[in-house]
Amino acid sequence: AQSVTQLGSHVSVSEGALVLLRCNYSSSVPPYLFWYVQYPNQGLQLLLKYTSAATLVKGINGFEAEFKKSETSFHLTKPSAHMSDAAEYFCAVSGAGGTSYGKLTFGQGTILTVHP
Amino acid sequence: GAVVSQHPSWVICKSGTSVKIECRSLDFQATTMFWYRQFPKQSLMLMATSNEGSKATYEQGVEKDKFLINHASLTLSTLTVTSAHPEDSSFYICSAQGQVAKNIQYFGAGTRLSVL
Repeated sequence: AQSVTQLGSHVSVSEGALVLLRCNYSSSVPPYLFWYVQYPNQGLQLLLKYTSAATLVKGINGFEAEFKKSETSFHLTKPSAHMSDAAEYFCAVSGAGGTSYGKLTFGQGTILTVHP
Repeated sequence: GAVVSQHPSWVICKSGTSVKIECRSLDFQATTMFWYRQFPKQSLMLMATSNEGSKATYEQGVEKDKFLINHASLTLSTLTVTSAHPEDSSFYICSAQGQVAKNIQYFGAGTRLSVL
């Protein structure tokens, strides 16, 4: 069984400020972890992924995330927010093996608002 | 690379009619395709997983006779909502997984279905 919890359904930051979106997961097998971004009325775009290589993962648009096994976390960060970062962000987990391999379980999503 | 096209992007239909949604992988062969449903301000819920040439596997609570899935080729999967009713109105999103990056799903832009 696997699950994802995203702390905070809404996060608001000023342009240029640090972005921190929190994600905790639970998985009965070694996890693969993902962050996706969704703009209104669009599908999901992959930001970055962790697949058991380096624990600090760099993605597109200046985002990065760190896999911390001891904390079962995979928080998403960006040093300086841009107006174009305003969107909804989803953390997702899939199993590295077993019946959950390849099947994504999504968190509830976090809406990021960026103020000028 | 890894582009997934979903069509139509928006459809309105009368109650009792059937609607077909297409999902195509444009530049890779998708051995597995996934269909999700997303209600307003909620996360994505996996409906079913389809592998090319075999029957789809439906998640618990999803009516297979209501949501017909066909994965006839390595680049095309279709979801048909049969005898649609207003409660079927939702945002439907497909994703595709290739043979190379087996643990990464690439998403279509989604289809908004409104049943009158």
